[in-house]
Amino acid sequence: GAGVSQTPSNKVTEKGKYVELRCDPISGHTALYWYRQSLGQGPEFLIYFQGTGAADDSGLPNDRFFAVRPEGSVSTLKIQRTERGDSAMYLCASSQDNSYEQYFGPGTRLTVT
Amino acid sequence: AQSVTQPDIHITVSEGASLELRCNYSYGATPYLFWYVQSPGQGLQLLLKYFSGDTLVQGIKGFEAEFKRSQSSFNLRKPSVHWSDAAEYFCAVLNNAGNMLTFGGGTRLMVKP
Repeated sequence: GAGVSQTPSNKVTEKGKYVELRCDPISGHTALYWYRQSLGQGPEFLIYFQGTGAADDSGLPNDRFFAVRPEGSVSTLKIQRTERGDSAMYLCASSQDNSYEQYFGPGTRLTVT
Repeated sequence: AQSVTQPDIHITVSEGASLELRCNYSYGATPYLFWYVQSPGQGLQLLLKYFSGDTLVQGIKGFEAEFKRSQSSFNLRKPSVHWSDAAEYFCAVLNNAGNMLTFGGGTRLMVKP
């Protein structure tokens, strides 16, 4: 079956601009996660959705970052006033209800110039 | 707070040789542990997991890992490495709430012909 998909695969933007990154989870997966992976490091947790609500957003670095999942399926990670330090790979994962196995998408590589 | 340490940043092995990648964790309770592999341009793929029971767990692609509580370790092993195993490997621990993975910094594996 289809895995987690993320679009775009690459995004280059200028400092100060607004970007949106999209994640399509595996069909039927109720939980959705966003992680950020800087070069040479492991992924770091950003936010977790159970259904439509953000159940844990403790990993969001500041209020420039925001994520939504309005219908409990597709999620969008939004970054306002981008900074060069936001450059990273943004990974999305999903899991079934009551499962601890997270399935990851290929990621969106964001470059802020 | 939970943490994961992967002491080896890079490892090079010859094709056909055995492999062991180290992982040490810090966690207050019985940990839920995972190994993921990341190939260039691809997302994280789950290799294996440990929740409870038998401390030696088998995964995909011929990998296995052993949970040792006394050493706070969860090392990944493979008896005979193939060139296609060249990738980055991440160890991770799940938090109490079951919604956040904390990853180690990763080990990059190179395979010599």
